[in-house]
Amino acid sequence: DTEVTQTPKHLVMGMTNKKSLKCEQHMGHRAMYWYKQKAKKPPELMFVYSYEKLSINESVPSRFSPECPNSSLLNLHLHALQPEDSALYLCASSRTRPSTDTQYFGPGTRLTVL
Amino acid sequence: GQQVMQIPQYQHVQEGEDFTTYCNSSTTLSNIQWYKQRPGGHPVFLIQLVKSGEVKKQKRLTFQFGEAKKNSSLHITATQTTDVGTYFCAGASDYKLSFGAGTTVTVRA
Repeated sequence: DTEVTQTPKHLVMGMTNKKSLKCEQHMGHRAMYWYKQKAKKPPELMFVYSYEKLSINESVPSRFSPECPNSSLLNLHLHALQPEDSALYLCASSRTRPSTDTQYFGPGTRLTVL
Repeated sequence: GQQVMQIPQYQHVQEGEDFTTYCNSSTTLSNIQWYKQRPGGHPVFLIQLVKSGEVKKQKRLTFQFGEAKKNSSLHITATQTTDVGTYFCAGASDYKLSFGAGTTVTVRA
């Protein structure tokens, strides 16, 4: 099973809302990632979790708050977002190290901020 | 920081023709990975190249990693409509993958 699942598929939220994106993998991977992808652009790394600990934050604004409850789950909590945060949010996982292991991407959550 | 440049940005191909997309890194890479993203889809892993000068083939796709481990190419022969999508290279450094801008491929039947 090489599947990463993400919920919801689509999300529309206002600038004052609080919402969460969820990601799950059952491949036994110990590294998990959040990426942001704008239309016609490559994925842009936001956060890396390694063995359930946050190892990289690519200077992401605090209105995005990641959480890794266990080795299979990754959440992204959203609060007070701006319209320019509208994008496809991709979760990915890899066996261990980001620099050497293949990353498997989930289908993404398409977020619209009104 | 590390940058990976990818060209061309767009490739319009007649069905049956060949094309190549190229990636260049400003620094030496530990490995390079290639992904394909279909319209409306998510990136799907194609291949990883690790060794200097490595060449790998997947049916009509040929991937190369340069001798200096700073550049890579993807060559597709006899393009089919199923090849439509955006192809990304991603260079691996110490702690992350840096994605190229992608080559978006459209195919004329």
